[in-house]
Amino acid sequence: DTEVTQTPKHLVMGMTNKKSLKCEQHMGHRAMYWYKQKAKKPPELMFVYSYEKLSINESVPSRFSPECPNSSLLNLHLHALQPEDSALYLCASSHTTGGGEISTDTQYFGPGTRLTVL
Amino acid sequence: AQKITQTQPGMFVQEKEAVTLDCTYDTSDPSYGLFWYKQPSSGEMIFLIYQGSYDQQNATEGRYSLNFQKARKSANLVISASQLGDSAMYFCAMRGTLTGKLIFGQGTTLQVKP
Repeated sequence: DTEVTQTPKHLVMGMTNKKSLKCEQHMGHRAMYWYKQKAKKPPELMFVYSYEKLSINESVPSRFSPECPNSSLLNLHLHALQPEDSALYLCASSHTTGGGEISTDTQYFGPGTRLTVL
Repeated sequence: AQKITQTQPGMFVQEKEAVTLDCTYDTSDPSYGLFWYKQPSSGEMIFLIYQGSYDQQNATEGRYSLNFQKARKSANLVISASQLGDSAMYFCAMRGTLTGKLIFGQGTTLQVKP
């Protein structure tokens, strides 16, 4: 089973709101990722968690706050977003983030959350 | 530096015909993997096929095959017997051991005509 689930599917929020995106996987993967994708562009990496610890933050603004409560769950907390943050947010998971096997490690993506910031 | 180049922003193919989506890459990494993903308009990024840099044979997965030419640094995706459901954006991606990050190309939009 190569399923990654994300909720909600769509989210509309104002610039003063606080909301959270959720991601879940039950493949036993120890690496989880958040990507941001604008229309007709490739995904851009935001954060990487490895064994529930934040290993990569791609200089993402602090209004995005990731959290990994356990090995199956990944959250992205949103606060004081800007209209330019409107995008598709994709979660992914894979077995690992390092070591000699990294080049063979496939990332599996969820269906994404379409975020609109008004 | 690592880079993936997809030179075809958009392509059309007739239903039931084969189509090749181009992908070239550049890396100094001695070991790397190449991946193709399909993204329909619904948004989900679907993994299609993987090719390792040391694999001697081209990867195949059902109607998908990867034409891997290491010396030319190309990893083209071949879709045989196109179906209407193949209409989507296709991304070529690479992952090496130096950074571990998945690097994407700009994508190719494929439209299958009935």
